[in-house]
Amino acid sequence: DAGVTQSPTHLIKTRGQQVTLRCSPKSGHDTVSWYQQALGQGPQFIFQYYEEEERQRGNFPDRFSGHQFPNYSSELNVNALLLGDSALYLCASSLGQGLSTDTQYFGPGTRLTVL
Amino acid sequence: AQTVTQSQPEMSVQEAETVTLSCTYDTSESDYYLFWYKQPPSRQMILVIRQEAYKQQNATENRFSVNFQKAAKSFSLKISDSQLGDAAMYFCAYAWVLPGYSTLTFGKGTMLLVSP
Repeated sequence: DAGVTQSPTHLIKTRGQQVTLRCSPKSGHDTVSWYQQALGQGPQFIFQYYEEEERQRGNFPDRFSGHQFPNYSSELNVNALLLGDSALYLCASSLGQGLSTDTQYFGPGTRLTVL
Repeated sequence: AQTVTQSQPEMSVQEAETVTLSCTYDTSESDYYLFWYKQPPSRQMILVIRQEAYKQQNATENRFSVNFQKAAKSFSLKISDSQLGDAAMYFCAYAWVLPGYSTLTFGKGTMLLVSP
């Protein structure tokens, strides 16, 4: 049973650039959530996708956007990168609407460094 | 807004001994879920244990158990017979659940050190 996968593992960008991170959910899951984890902190919720639509959003600027594809995989895009965007980006998948037991399972993360 | 507080930045335990990690949360909701996740140096966030707020019985998972005190909004994790592989950052998390709308609010974490 394939777990949550993310690519790339590491990424280095410069300020002002744009970046795309990718996530494939656990087999059978249809909901993808993205989290940002700054060094020494707990993860912070960015947004959640279900049925190819953004269903919930945390307190992040519009520079952060996403997409979910028909096969439930997802992308996180960040435009106009700032130094403060340097963090570990975690993707989590779960089984969505109608179930109360939708525990989220995490991928290994993408480490983004902005210089 | 819901908040999760882990007041112990770091805890130490010797192999085979027992350690308890603390977590408190603030919410006005009555139906929610609480989780403990483990994040080793490999960065993979691994689910350790989960508790439904409507259940009075404390969850257990092998050597891991919780002490859930709903009125006090407290949710501690007890690790029995600690092993070297338990060394990791542990995060307490809260989820207010509408069907399919759960998102996680995390604490800042507790680093668990395990010595031989």
